Amino acid sequence: AQSVTQLDSHVSVSEGTPVLLRCNYSSSYSPSLFWYVQHPNKGLQLLLKYTSAATLVKGINGFEAEFKKSETSFHLTKPSAHMSDAAEYFCVVSEANYGQNFVFGPGTRLSVLP
Amino acid sequence: SQTIHQWPATLVQPVGSPLSLECTVEGTSNPNLYWYRQAAGRGLQLLFYSVGIGQISSEVPQNLSASRPQDRQFILSSKKLLLSDSGFYLCAWSRAGTGAGNTIYFGEGSWLTVV
Repeated sequence: AQSVTQLDSHVSVSEGTPVLLRCNYSSSYSPSLFWYVQHPNKGLQLLLKYTSAATLVKGINGFEAEFKKSETSFHLTKPSAHMSDAAEYFCVVSEANYGQNFVFGPGTRLSVLP
Repeated sequence: SQTIHQWPATLVQPVGSPLSLECTVEGTSNPNLYWYRQAAGRGLQLLFYSVGIGQISSEVPQNLSASRPQDRQFILSSKKLLLSDSGFYLCAWSRAGTGAGNTIYFGEGSWLTVV
């Protein structure tokens, strides 16, 4: 069975400093992994996805994530936080054999301080 | 390109009243469709998913039901709302099949407040 752990429920950074949001997963098969962002009162927007190609995935708005199979991790990073990055971030895992089964992490709220 | 529309965006309903939230997807055929609920400050809970017309799977027993009368239309309903039904409801879609990298896409959400 699949599962996702987001190790921090809340992360606070200063504007211009790096962002690290942590995600660990459990999967029996070759997983697809995703990061989504949700701004207040909005739907979820896809930031990036990993689907067994390059392990370093670049997404929108300067975000990237690295798939590390040995560590079962898919951490999200950004070199320099912007005020507009303040939002909720969800890590998601899906297995190829179960296309309609997307398992969501509990989310990490990112605050960006001026 | 594909788009997903969900409405209404906001509604306030009294306890015991009916509910109907509607979702349509454009630009794709035979999508998988989903309804999620998000309680305030919490994660996503999958309520229903559908792989085709009239095919609905329920993940959580509750006061809600879903229907798929057309290929790209997904409706969330209740005959009598409870206070605990309040929350943010999200419709989503993904391509049919189970291929690697199949991605889920979300609508803008509907805020329901039951009073």
